[in-house]
Amino acid sequence: AQKITQTQPGMFVQEKEAVTLDCTYDTSDQSYGLFWYKQPSSGEMIFLIYQGSYDEQNATEGRYSLNFQKARKSANLVISASQLGDSAMYFCAMREAKTSYDKVIFGPGTSLSVIP
Amino acid sequence: EADIYQTPRYLVIGTGKKITLECSQTMGHDKMYWYQQDPGMELHLIHYSYGVNSTEKGDLSSESTVSRIRTEHFPLTLESARPSHTSQYLCASSRGYNEQFFGPGTRLTVL
Repeated sequence: AQKITQTQPGMFVQEKEAVTLDCTYDTSDQSYGLFWYKQPSSGEMIFLIYQGSYDEQNATEGRYSLNFQKARKSANLVISASQLGDSAMYFCAMREAKTSYDKVIFGPGTSLSVIP
Repeated sequence: EADIYQTPRYLVIGTGKKITLECSQTMGHDKMYWYQQDPGMELHLIHYSYGVNSTEKGDLSSESTVSRIRTEHFPLTLESARPSHTSQYLCASSRGYNEQFFGPGTRLTVL
């Protein structure tokens, strides 16, 4: 079974608008960490934002914020004021306590295209 | 600036050859990872290591093997390359529970 689900294979957003990329996860652990990465067409993987399962506040990093809803097991990425350079693949990932946080599993990704 | 290196960046090789993909990091990270990724697709974890002399298989069955004799070095070996091994291989490292840093990847083509 998929541990990380990203139901939007492709998304479009107008430049300067906000966009939400969905991520739901499956774990029986109480302690885990969630990550979002960006992969532009050049291929490098860039870390964006992290949310711990015990963090009470939603994580924010500049234009990126994470809408963490623990009971629903969702960790959606919100990008505000989209820029053309935001066009990329976006991956949600998770570490779990039961693997001593060693193992990191990725979701299938969402392709975001920003339209001028 | 993350310091994680992969060589070669591109490799075209014939079926049946033995190949080793190199990955090194200079950050002293304890954990290292190998992922396989086809263009525009998800990353599949094939191997990971949580320290020297510790390696584990990931979720994607792979005919490759890895070793971790030194903290900074995590090579991946294919004893006999096949066309089905054609893909991009990404190496990553992390310290503890923190975010991963990724190398630039090796694009492997097996003819």
